[in-house]
Amino acid sequence: GAVVSQHPSRVICKSGTSVKIECRSLDFQATTMFWYRQFPKKSLMLMATSNEGSKATYEQGVEKDKFLINHASLTLSTLTVTSAHPEDSSFYICSARDSSPYEQFFGPGTRLTVL
Amino acid sequence: GIQVEQSPPDLILQEGANSTLRCNFSDSVNNLQWFHQNPWGQLINLFYIPSGTKQNGRLSATTVATERYSLLYISSSQTTDSGVYFCAGGRSGNTPLVFGKGTRLSVIA
Repeated sequence: GAVVSQHPSRVICKSGTSVKIECRSLDFQATTMFWYRQFPKKSLMLMATSNEGSKATYEQGVEKDKFLINHASLTLSTLTVTSAHPEDSSFYICSARDSSPYEQFFGPGTRLTVL
Repeated sequence: GIQVEQSPPDLILQEGANSTLRCNFSDSVNNLQWFHQNPWGQLINLFYIPSGTKQNGRLSATTVATERYSLLYISSSQTTDSGVYFCAGGRSGNTPLVFGKGTRLSVIA
């Protein structure tokens, strides 16, 4: 299967700082990537859909100015959590979709802790 | 949007036992996947199965698209099968996957 990487795998930061998370499709080109958030013992909640070369589409309730998404190439999407606060602490997971069939592959996730 | 219901929410099995996990969808989906989330959080793709039946070793899955449900079968369970199993579906290949709440499986020796 296709491989999606994420970096960093774990980050601890102080409140008020910004954190950038990278998501890469390693062996295929992904015109669309997705960002999810998962709280402990909960399911994955879609945050936004990232389209290469255009603006991301955010789900209702997700602040676009707080969670900046950039999809500058067919293999890289980034999520920047701006002015992070403790309530932003969570497990962030990206996925990339192959062209056909439309199977999605997930990165290993990034565990963000904001102190 | 699409609602995804998974059952049972929790399941405890003796090693060697078989089990069936179910996923119901509120609307038709043309894109359906099953995942296993390991203890480190990585989602492992098990099946891409918008319809029909597939098998991979001790795992198999069946999707009855006309009745909007999918089943995941685990046979001869092993302790390494423990974790959370998610199903997820989307209306089409272009739409994001909506996840169920998962089935938390514990296989004990």
